Amino acid sequence: EVQLVDSGGGLVQPGGSLRLSCAASGFTLSDHYMDWVRQAPGKGLEWVARTRNKANNYATDYAASVTGRFTISRDDSKNSLYLQMNSLIIEDTAMYYCTRRGTSDRDLDYWGQGTLVTVSS
Amino acid sequence: DIQMTQSPSSLSASVGDRVTITCRASRGINNALNWYQQKPGKAPKLLISTTSRLQSGVPSRFSGSGSGTDYTLSISSLQPEDLATYYCQQNDNIPLTFGGGTKVEIK
Repeated sequence: EVQLVDSGGGLVQPGGSLRLSCAASGFTLSDHYMDWVRQAPGKGLEWVARTRNKANNYATDYAASVTGRFTISRDDSKNSLYLQMNSLIIEDTAMYYCTRRGTSDRDLDYWGQGTLVTVSS
Repeated sequence: DIQMTQSPSSLSASVGDRVTITCRASRGINNALNWYQQKPGKAPKLLISTTSRLQSGVPSRFSGSGSGTDYTLSISSLQPEDLATYYCQQNDNIPLTFGGGTKVEIK
């Protein structure tokens, strides 16, 4: 059974840093692209970042709103995905979801339960 | 970036009603359109991929159609458990973008 378990969220001051983790199980992580998607309280979904799979050299892409501040990474040997978030601003407050891209890269077929990041002084 | 415009933003319908949600892209997206269902307090769940491919386990009352810039999610007979917010998402280009969501309520 595919499972994604998000962790690492919490309360952080503006300008601070946080590292989110996603523990993957039930599938071979190295075969899949992985994405982070976030949702501000009461708002819609916003794509944050993507890491491609091993076959595509783990290339990364970012939303303009986080470029230069966030870094997506993965450790396939530990079945884990990460999101390092630096220089956090209040607008980064959101539930962050780890997602798996389907094998055909057409969709986000599995989602973690989310981890809440609150940026506040 | 491709803008996704969803309508309506909310709707209220009775059990058994047919419900239709539309999603319009700011340019053609080659049928690379997915639909997600998010129940209150839960993570989104993939319902339909690539315009019309129903995911395993999703009831057949859900269907998707469309082409070019215009896409539709239909629920043929609304059930109480369909209470949720539905999002469209284009997968044609990075950055991935989502519609603003349609909140479905049961009368």
